Amino acid sequence: SQQGEEDPQALSIQEGENATMNCSYKTSINNLQWYRQNSGRGLVHLILIRSNEREKHSGRLRVTLDTSKKSSSLLITASRAADTASYFCATEEDDKIIFGKGTRLHILP
Amino acid sequence: DGGITQSPKYLFRKEGQNVTLSCEQNLNHDAMYWYRQDPGQGLRLIYYSQIVNDFQKGDIAEGYSVSREKKESFPLTVTSAQKNPTAFYLCASSMPHRGAYGYTFGSGTRLTVV
Repeated sequence: SQQGEEDPQALSIQEGENATMNCSYKTSINNLQWYRQNSGRGLVHLILIRSNEREKHSGRLRVTLDTSKKSSSLLITASRAADTASYFCATEEDDKIIFGKGTRLHILP
Repeated sequence: DGGITQSPKYLFRKEGQNVTLSCEQNLNHDAMYWYRQDPGQGLRLIYYSQIVNDFQKGDIAEGYSVSREKKESFPLTVTSAQKNPTAFYLCASSMPHRGAYGYTFGSGTRLTVV
């Protein structure tokens, strides 16, 4: 089963620009999470937003959640080379978390 | 430092062999999970365990087996019944009410059939 689906699949931007990734999901959720994965590594938890929250910030990250549209967005401001990675949204289904296929972000020097 | 350790980092398996991937955590997390990731793809859930001596199948459990005899350990065996085992395997753990805290992941094991 697949709950979250990220868009775009791949994104290339210049260093210093902002990067926006979107996630759509199908069923009602308790919360939505975003993770980052560097090539060949495990995933790192970035931020969790609960269903009763609309926006959340963490450093250069800003996450929004629109439960009426069943969608979320992750904004990375002032991108850096180190932000190059894949980004996944994840939602709960029963007692497990389901991941989307991810957005591959490439920051150009 | 608390964390979750997967070993080995790279593993090569011959056709017809069973292999076991190790996952150990010292975070005192109750729940542990195994995911499979194929190139350019998301994560697919293989097995998960919410408590010691109990585990459930995920979406792609066929050809895999697990055990949860200790809270800290959740090994995954890839059996000869798994016809296409070459993939990147990720183990994760979480507190109860995992949705409130998110998952902690290991660094992964890359399994290749030779």
